Amino acid sequence: DTAVSQTPKYLVTQMGNDKSIKCEQNLGHDTMYWYKQDSKKFLKIMFSYNNKELIINETVPNRFSPKSPDKAHLNLHINSLELGDSAVYFCASSQVLDGIQYFGAGTRLSVL
Amino acid sequence: DQQVKQNSPSLSVQEGRISILNCDYTNSMFDYFLWYKKYPAEGPTFLISISSIKDKNEDGRFTVFLNKSAKHLSLHIVPSQPGDSAVYFCAAKTNTGNQFYFGTGTSLTVIP
Repeated sequence: DTAVSQTPKYLVTQMGNDKSIKCEQNLGHDTMYWYKQDSKKFLKIMFSYNNKELIINETVPNRFSPKSPDKAHLNLHINSLELGDSAVYFCASSQVLDGIQYFGAGTRLSVL
Repeated sequence: DQQVKQNSPSLSVQEGRISILNCDYTNSMFDYFLWYKKYPAEGPTFLISISSIKDKNEDGRFTVFLNKSAKHLSLHIVPSQPGDSAVYFCAAKTNTGNQFYFGTGTSLTVIP
């Protein structure tokens, strides 16, 4: 039973489209995150939610909007996709805000 | 601004020998460090951590060393096994911060 699962695993889409990536954790953790790994392999935090409340919102275009319907879910919606959004997006969760994080397998987004 | 650096993108080691993976950081306020291991098509998984009050932490075949004056940490794997072949990321945070900063990873290949 996967602890942190994200869907879809692969996402290929055209520029200008809107897409969503879903994330669910069954670990009972209070905090969830979205990371972006770009072509240079930087793993950079985008957002973190603690008990459904936005805690970290790094410098990310406002085309990216996270939504946390409950503690176990953190979805990422991206509007007006651009070529530069192509990357691998990882969801993660941790028991506490600065604790060890458990990652999903990643979603590889390709914008054509 | 990359605060955590892993300057060796790749490393090859013979099975049974020691693997040494290095990580440098620039922020002297970092006080907690983690190593993650990542297999292809999977998310990073936590491996070992160290707090700045220690200079060494050991867990089985894995030992992390911290040199605060040099702002350097290293991960030693002894003996290396083919199953250790993966990408290793180091990550760091400050005691007041709530996010981890990741390096770009080192791809380790253990040759049977």
